[in-house]
Amino acid sequence: SYELTQPPSVSVSPGQTARITCSGDALPKKYPYWYQQKSGQAPVLVIYEDSKRPSGIPERFSGSSSGTMATLTISGAQVEDEADYYCYSTDSSGKGVFGGGTKLTVL
Amino acid sequence: EVQLVESGGGLVQPGRSLRLSCAASGFTFDDYAMHWVRQAPGKGLEWVSGISWNSGSIGYADSVKGRFTISRDNAKNSLYLQMNSLRAEDTALYYCAKDFWSGLSAFDIWGQGTMVTVSS
Repeated sequence: SYELTQPPSVSVSPGQTARITCSGDALPKKYPYWYQQKSGQAPVLVIYEDSKRPSGIPERFSGSSSGTMATLTISGAQVEDEADYYCYSTDSSGKGVFGGGTKLTVL
Repeated sequence: EVQLVESGGGLVQPGRSLRLSCAASGFTFDDYAMHWVRQAPGKGLEWVSGISWNSGSIGYADSVKGRFTISRDNAKNSLYLQMNSLRAEDTALYYCAKDFWSGLSAFDIWGQGTMVTVSS
């Protein structure tokens, strides 16, 4: 079955740039999406269709893709950005797939 | 305001059935595909199932195919998930999520979830 692979954890100091990667064979053909989930809360969309940012999401969040790798970048990470981040895409049959999630620590 | 409210969760014995509902408001429900996503305690997100605007396209995760059935009633602005032959590994918080488009893609709005616990 199709898999999206993320690092389990990323740690940065406040103000530094955090990069979270997501790799998957179908990413060159299927858009990646990124969701932020803070403890005890429902997920929130932070990046869609590779690099678009929904209204209300700070400009420090950006997305990019190259080949089979998608990257979520948080430029100047803040303490409030601490959360689990999940990439999402679909396989060739249209089934949804999440990455395993990355725990971002900002301290 | 766009709102998704799940209901129907609870404690159920292995092998039994449960039906989840999701009430949608604040948007034109029949313009959009809808999904169910679950999260087992302390674990990551898992896409469960999705249904297009007119129920013409439906997909299931391999883990639930043949046991779960997704459906929608556009007249009632509601999404459903019929879960049969439940197993302990189906224990999770089940989220209803709105798609960006009428066909199956990804989700822009999530509900708060309803908890399903499968245990004897």
